Amino acid sequence: EPEVTQTPSHQVTQMGQEVILRCVPISNHLYFYWYRQILGQKVEFLVSFYNNEISEKSEIFDDQFSVERPDGSNFTLKIRSTKLEDSAMYFCASSEGYGDRGRDEAFFGQGTRLTVV
Amino acid sequence: QKEVEQNSGPLSVPEGAIASLNCTYSDRGSQSFFWYRQYSGKSPELIMFIYSNGDKEDGRFTAQLNKASQYVSLLIRDSQPSDSATYLCAVTRRGANSKLTFGKGITLSVRP
Repeated sequence: EPEVTQTPSHQVTQMGQEVILRCVPISNHLYFYWYRQILGQKVEFLVSFYNNEISEKSEIFDDQFSVERPDGSNFTLKIRSTKLEDSAMYFCASSEGYGDRGRDEAFFGQGTRLTVV
Repeated sequence: QKEVEQNSGPLSVPEGAIASLNCTYSDRGSQSFFWYRQYSGKSPELIMFIYSNGDKEDGRFTAQLNKASQYVSLLIRDSQPSDSATYLCAVTRRGANSKLTFGKGITLSVRP
């Protein structure tokens, strides 16, 4: 069964360092997303991406964050200068998005646990 | 602020019972409704989605949607200990690239 894959599963970084989280969405999906979940809190939307551009972003997704689809398979989230409060699980997701209505169901990767020290 | 609210829980049911999980949402523009299951330390796993008013059944799971009351629920019949997890309600506005807005989740514990 196709799945979203994320690497690494766990990343420890020092405050102020740049990190890149990687994702391979399901191959026939057109929409890609990043979410995060701080320990004990709800899953929060960061950004959605379609046709090689950001389609929507949240208030959390400030200038420290960027996304990229560098090739036909990878989808990355970069945090330029990490802060302690960026420590969280980061989930990549993708959805099909075909047709007039599109299929909304988003499937999540296993997540990257980011720890900023 | 568009919110998705779930009972704070935790919810504990005996094995074999029906577990009823409830969710309300504030955005009347919401069109698609999802239930995800999340085991501790793991990612959300989609278990049910519903777009139209009424009931939708899939195996032991039934999703119920009432748009007039802005209410969506998940029933789990014949609950098993393996159903013990946190259940997340999520909604999107119309559109294939709509972001998911999640509730905080409710933790279900199924007692053997």
